[in-house]
Amino acid sequence: GAGVSQSPSNKVTEKGKDVELRCDPISGHTALYWYRQRLGQGLEFLIYFQGNSAPDKSGLPSDRFSAERTGESVSTLTIQRTQQEDSAVYLCASSLGAGAIGDNYGYTFGSGTRLTVV
Amino acid sequence: RKEVEQDPGPFNVPEGATVAFNCTYSNSASQSFFWYRQDCRKEPKLLMSVYSSGNEDGRFTAQLNRASQYISLLIRDSKLSDSATYLCVVNRGGTSYGKLTFGQGTILTVHP
Repeated sequence: GAGVSQSPSNKVTEKGKDVELRCDPISGHTALYWYRQRLGQGLEFLIYFQGNSAPDKSGLPSDRFSAERTGESVSTLTIQRTQQEDSAVYLCASSLGAGAIGDNYGYTFGSGTRLTVV
Repeated sequence: RKEVEQDPGPFNVPEGATVAFNCTYSNSASQSFFWYRQDCRKEPKLLMSVYSSGNEDGRFTAQLNRASQYISLLIRDSKLSDSATYLCVVNRGGTSYGKLTFGQGTILTVHP
């Protein structure tokens, strides 16, 4: 598609329920990233997929969080047993991916999923 | 110490003013540098990349000082539409060179 598409745009869930967030990156973008942004805060890295390489999961805050990606297309972020502190905007981004060190390429973000845990 | 540090502001300036934002990064292996802009309740959008020699895009000028690990953004002739949060972003390089680290952002408000 023309941009990064995320769904749903808004999600309200009860504490303890599982949620699944979806990201459809720009076609041809090999790299895909998930970030979290709490209200009034900066972007917090969660996970990064690059082609067929093992994902960098170093930012996932707990084992309740997991993410999958099918090839170089759609990714899903799953949060199990949601807690109120999980409330945030979850942003997905994609990029052309790792070029040479020092390449200046940027991300394109989706408009995010606003998750509210009540 | 945070990997990328910015003065959070807020900066409140009149239209037409020149304003400068600074950013420092802690990892000397960082390879790529960017400024992003984020409007209220919107996703961040790439404003400009930052090149070693410095670069300009219209009213915006970015500078990089690798020795001091310092990045700056200068906005000349500020417009009301420049009001936003400006994010300093660094690619740490090495094996994670696809991953960008974001500063907390600097809030700019341009008033009439």
